[in-house]
This record gives sequence, C-alpha cells and structure tokens, in this order.
Amino acid sequence: DSGVTQTPKHLITATGQRVTLRCSPRSGDLSVYWYQQSLDQGLQFLIQYYNGEERAKGNILERFSAQQFPDLHSELNLSSLELGDSALYFCASSAGLRNEKLFFGSGTQLSVL
Amino acid sequence: AQRVTQPEKLLSVFKGAPVELKCNYSYSGSPELFWYVQYSRQRLQLLLRHISRESIKGFTADLNKGETSFHLKKPFAQEEDSAMYYCALGGSQGNLIFGKGTKLSVKP
Repeated sequence: DSGVTQTPKHLITATGQRVTLRCSPRSGDLSVYWYQQSLDQGLQFLIQYYNGEERAKGNILERFSAQQFPDLHSELNLSSLELGDSALYFCASSAGLRNEKLFFGSGTQLSVL
Repeated sequence: AQRVTQPEKLLSVFKGAPVELKCNYSYSGSPELFWYVQYSRQRLQLLLRHISRESIKGFTADLNKGETSFHLKKPFAQEEDSAMYYCALGGSQGNLIFGKGTKLSVKP
C-alpha cells in the first residue's frame, strides 16, 4: 500500500454527466499529480498541485478541472463527459515540488456509457 | 519536445534469459530518468532512477546521452519479473512524462 487513497474505485456514468474523483495523498506529501491512462495513449499527465497551488499543467481538457484543498486532498472534476473520457485515472503524490519519487494510488476506473 | 518512447509493447523471454527493455527520450536539458513498474494487481511503483545508479531486483539502467536512451537491463530474467514497465522523464514543469509502457512476460 503506497498510502495514496483514491475514491471511488469504479464509476459508471452517462455522456453529458459530471463526476468528481477524489485523492488523498500520503501523509506529509505536498504534491498531488493526476494522470489519465487509456489503452492507446498510455499514462498522460493532466495536472499537478503543490501545497494547494497549481504547479504544472499537461494535456488537461477545459471540461476537466482540479483543486487541492487545505488538508492536501485533491479532487478532479470531469464535466460534459464523452465516451472518450472512459479511462483509468491515477493520482500520485510526492514530498516535494519536482521530479520526486511518485507514490501512486490504485486508480479510479471511469466508464462513460 | 519532451517525449519518451518505448518501442516495444510486449517483450516475451524465457526464464534465465537476458532482458532489455528499451527507452528513448527527447529532452533539451539535462534529463532525469526513471523506470516504474506495475505488477499484476499492484500499484505503479518506482523501480529505479538514473541519479541513484542503483540495481534493484537485479535490474540496472544506464543513461546514454549520446543515444538519448535509458534502457533497462537484467542478465537473468525471473518469472516474477513479469509486469508492465514504464520509462519516465522528468519534465521541465516538474512533472513526470511517461512512455506507453512495455509488457514483459517471462515464460518458465
């Protein structure tokens, strides 16, 4: 167990809907990263937060947003869902700001029907 | 552009054979490179990083700046090495950029 907790483990929803994925980092870690994993694209970096502030942005769609709260947990919000958003969404945390050893959660499997 | 390429989706070897998982990168600065591994039903975890120059579970990886490569090697593969392996590059923003991964299958 890496100490990173993601909920829910599975999520099934319909196109056009909005969902929220939650991540609790390891105790003491200040950075939270979100990745999307699909069969054809591999692990795609979405966004990073460090101590509540957005630090890096990857290929995150405008329909997606994230935030990190004062208790350091993070939420990834996905709206106007499309079939192509079906993927495994990983959260990872690290102690520092950059290129540190990442600890991954077990992921949230999102299925958009 | 910052990019990681793992040319093989699947690599199948027999137990006791040498294994090499290829990784090439594109990065204009001084790269930081990592190998992550995901065993069946387990989380993605760090295997090794180039700055540590360490050997983990018999695996080593050497950074070759001339060839922009960071191949993962093990002289004698074991069945328990079967897993998904991802090469990752430390991006300029501080995030990790992952390759698409190579599935290693070690047959008995």
